[in-house]
Amino acid sequence: KQEVTQIPAALSVPEGENLVLNCSFTDSAIYNLQWFRQDPGKGLTSLLLIQSSQREQTSGRLNASLDKSSGRSTLYIAASQPGDSATYLCAVAHTGGFKTIFGAGTRLFVKA
Amino acid sequence: DGGITQSPKYLFRKEGQNVTLSCEQNLNHDAMYWYRQDPGQGLRLIYYSQIVNDFQKGDIAEGYSVSREKKESFPLTVTSAQKNPTAFYLCASSFGGRETQYFGPGTRLLVL
Repeated sequence: KQEVTQIPAALSVPEGENLVLNCSFTDSAIYNLQWFRQDPGKGLTSLLLIQSSQREQTSGRLNASLDKSSGRSTLYIAASQPGDSATYLCAVAHTGGFKTIFGAGTRLFVKA
Repeated sequence: DGGITQSPKYLFRKEGQNVTLSCEQNLNHDAMYWYRQDPGQGLRLIYYSQIVNDFQKGDIAEGYSVSREKKESFPLTVTSAQKNPTAFYLCASSFGGRETQYFGPGTRLLVL
């Protein structure tokens, strides 16, 4: 059974700092991995999707990497801003099924 | 504007009452999903539908029911059999299974 873990549960950084969020998964037979952003009381917004054949994806100040063999993905945020404050969730789609498994998320606070 | 809408934003349920949460999308997506989100936990799949007039149970379907009579609509009913319904409910859609999911703004269900 696929399990997705995100550590730490919460992170506080000063504005301008570069930071890394971590996601680990137990079954490497994945189809793709997605990173989402969720603002308080809102729905999820897709940030990046990495296919299983890819190593990384980039969008603006965001870079996501994928290492299937070790069951890990990282989301790198460059030059963090207060507007980046939100919860970031990773989600894994398995090759053998229809469901996507979500991590519990990392709550990020960027202090001005 | 293309997107997913959920209504109402807040819903109050009395003991023994069935309530229905609405989800509508105009993205022409075949697949639709219902998730439940509790504090500190990842999203858990309640039901999903890959095509009109077909749906499957997710991990926590007990006490819930759905229908998929139209491509655009996937309502969720929380029945009186669901003893702990207080949560944030999120609807999502995608072109197909394991593709990027687009989320609605969510419905917060509270018990009176």
